Amino acid sequence: QVQLVESGGGVVQPGGSLRLSCAASGFTFSNYAIHWVRQAPGKGLEWVAVISYDGRHKYYADSVRGRFTISRDNSKNTLDLQMSSLRPEDTSLYYCAKKMGFEAAGSPAFDHWGQGTLVTVSS
Amino acid sequence: EIEMTQSPATLSVSPGERATLSCRASQSVRSNLAWYQQKVGQAPRLLIYAASTRATGTPARISGNGSGTEFTLTISSLQSEDFAVYYCQQYSNGYTFGQGTKLEIK
Repeated sequence: QVQLVESGGGVVQPGGSLRLSCAASGFTFSNYAIHWVRQAPGKGLEWVAVISYDGRHKYYADSVRGRFTISRDNSKNTLDLQMSSLRPEDTSLYYCAKKMGFEAAGSPAFDHWGQGTLVTVSS
Repeated sequence: EIEMTQSPATLSVSPGERATLSCRASQSVRSNLAWYQQKVGQAPRLLIYAASTRATGTPARISGNGSGTEFTLTISSLQSEDFAVYYCQQYSNGYTFGQGTKLEIK
């Protein structure tokens, strides 16, 4: 079965950096785009970034562009999110989520999600 | 950026009754809309994509409708497991979620 397992969360001071990872299994990782979505405590969902199945295309939310970098290693079935210049408003549970459609085709909806890793930005 | 507005923020319905949740887009997203369910302490779960197509495992009592800027999610006969928060999401231009509707037991 499809599994996405996030790790790397923790407490970091404002201005600091953190690297999140998402380990995938149960599907052909290299065939699917993967997203990061975050959820501040008690709040709704906010899309953060996406990387195409082949890693060639990356897109970011305005709120994180220039500070966060998404990457993937298809040989290891892993996805990363390098976060820098962190702000208190980046405090959230960060989910990785798989695109439903195969490669560039099919539905862009998010059909599988991990359980999330919590990032707290505080002094 | 396309904004998604869900209403109401909270909906109180009795088990066995029908619930209708609304989602409005600030501009047309055609049928590029999904609905997700999130229970406390859990990750979101995809229910509906392409505005009206049930995802694997979505029961037939849950249906989606609409296109353009107006969308609805209907649960025909509420079961205990349906009480949760529901989010709509557009993927027509970027990705934007609505603020969510909490479906609670009346």
